[in-house]
Amino acid sequence: DTGVSQDPRHKITKRGQNVTFRCDPISEHNRLYWYRQTLGQGPEFLTYFQNEAQLEKSRLLSDRFSAERPKGSFSTLEIQRTEQGDSAMYLCASSLRGRGSANTEAFFGQGTRLTVV
Amino acid sequence: GQQLNQSPQSMFIQEGEDVSMNCTSSSIFNTWLWYKQDPGEGPVLLIALYKAGELTSNGRLTAQFGITRKDSFLNISASIPSDVGIYFCAGQDTNAGKSTFGDGTTLTVKP
Repeated sequence: DTGVSQDPRHKITKRGQNVTFRCDPISEHNRLYWYRQTLGQGPEFLTYFQNEAQLEKSRLLSDRFSAERPKGSFSTLEIQRTEQGDSAMYLCASSLRGRGSANTEAFFGQGTRLTVV
Repeated sequence: GQQLNQSPQSMFIQEGEDVSMNCTSSSIFNTWLWYKQDPGEGPVLLIALYKAGELTSNGRLTAQFGITRKDSFLNISASIPSDVGIYFCAGQDTNAGKSTFGDGTTLTVKP
């Protein structure tokens, strides 16, 4: 399968614990995005990378959240000191930005469902 | 910030009927995307639109990019039970490639 892959699919954690999610994008895609989705809402943008550079962070991304893409391939999203309000589906997407051309459409992974108890 | 208003919020239709849903924005987008999401899964891209006025089909699905670049609609013809799901529109930022999503239209198809 050459689509976007996310791990784990589900995570249940106690409030106050740290969690880390992983995303493997489509291999030739240089852009990687993280979104958060709560029940009844559309996905909301959190942050994105072009290669290993994190180019934008949403105001939704509090200082308890950190994302990395160290070698420009896979990415991790860490949430420290989780709160019940962090419960959501965390979605990763990737796309290709060619030289001098517009961004292609983004393809999503299956998401990581986080439940904070 | 940018907001997309998607309507209707939900639809209950009979198998074989046609469906129409739309999306309006307070801002201009240069790319409109339509996704379908099944429960517990990520959104799956259905149709991408790149030019104002563009009409694009994908099987029984047809989508149009509004001439003002502030709206788009999606039609599904001859609905079948597997069309059930949540349909999201998204406006894509040209430079960053990030998308702003509507809150979805939940489609239920009765056999």
